Amino acid sequence: DAGITQSPRHKVTETGTPVTLRCHQTENHRYMYWYRQDPGHGLRLIHYSYGVKDTDKGEVSDGYSVSRSKTEDFLLTLESATSSQTSVYFCAISATGQSTGANVLTFGAGSRLTVL
Amino acid sequence: RKEVEQDPGPFNVPEGATVAFNCTYSNSASQSFFWYRQDCRKEPKLLMSVYSSGNEDGRFTAQLNRASQYISLLIRDSKLSDSATYLCVVHNAGNNRKLIWGLGTSLAVNP
Repeated sequence: DAGITQSPRHKVTETGTPVTLRCHQTENHRYMYWYRQDPGHGLRLIHYSYGVKDTDKGEVSDGYSVSRSKTEDFLLTLESATSSQTSVYFCAISATGQSTGANVLTFGAGSRLTVL
Repeated sequence: RKEVEQDPGPFNVPEGATVAFNCTYSNSASQSFFWYRQDCRKEPKLLMSVYSSGNEDGRFTAQLNRASQYISLLIRDSKLSDSATYLCVVHNAGNNRKLIWGLGTSLAVNP
């Protein structure tokens, strides 16, 4: 299996607090992604990165920011968590980007976030 | 109309059965298609890519029908371990290139 780890795996927090989720990969893949998965919705892209310090917004980026200071790490930050951000967050990596048709993703195990 | 639609199921089948799932997509310019498998409370994992000519991997066969804009997944000789949710994924071409994920079809294989 690809080396991709997420931390924390589970977190309960209160509305208004900042939260940072970390994704770490050992595959040296250029592309990294943050998705959220909610009942009634397919996986939705929050932000993605196409290289160190190169990031872009996905379809549900409001309320989230990301940073990538090293190839292996991609951080997702909720500056002020809201209950609507209660979700399962998946990090993914790929060797090719979304502009190509061969965009196969490998996912981390997920981070389950509950905002009270 | 959703960009990618799947029958949510659940499909309940006995071991050894053959089961097929369909997935329809709305963008006729879509170029690449995938099936991912997701076990309960786990991450999605690539099951197989779907090629224009159709492709097979052991008990799994994927087909693409561009004219009718759907892809299918056939599972033969179902195993208990096939119980999972199967996610259809379409690569949306054009100016807004991205992956579009279906909601998944739930399969339960029973002894």
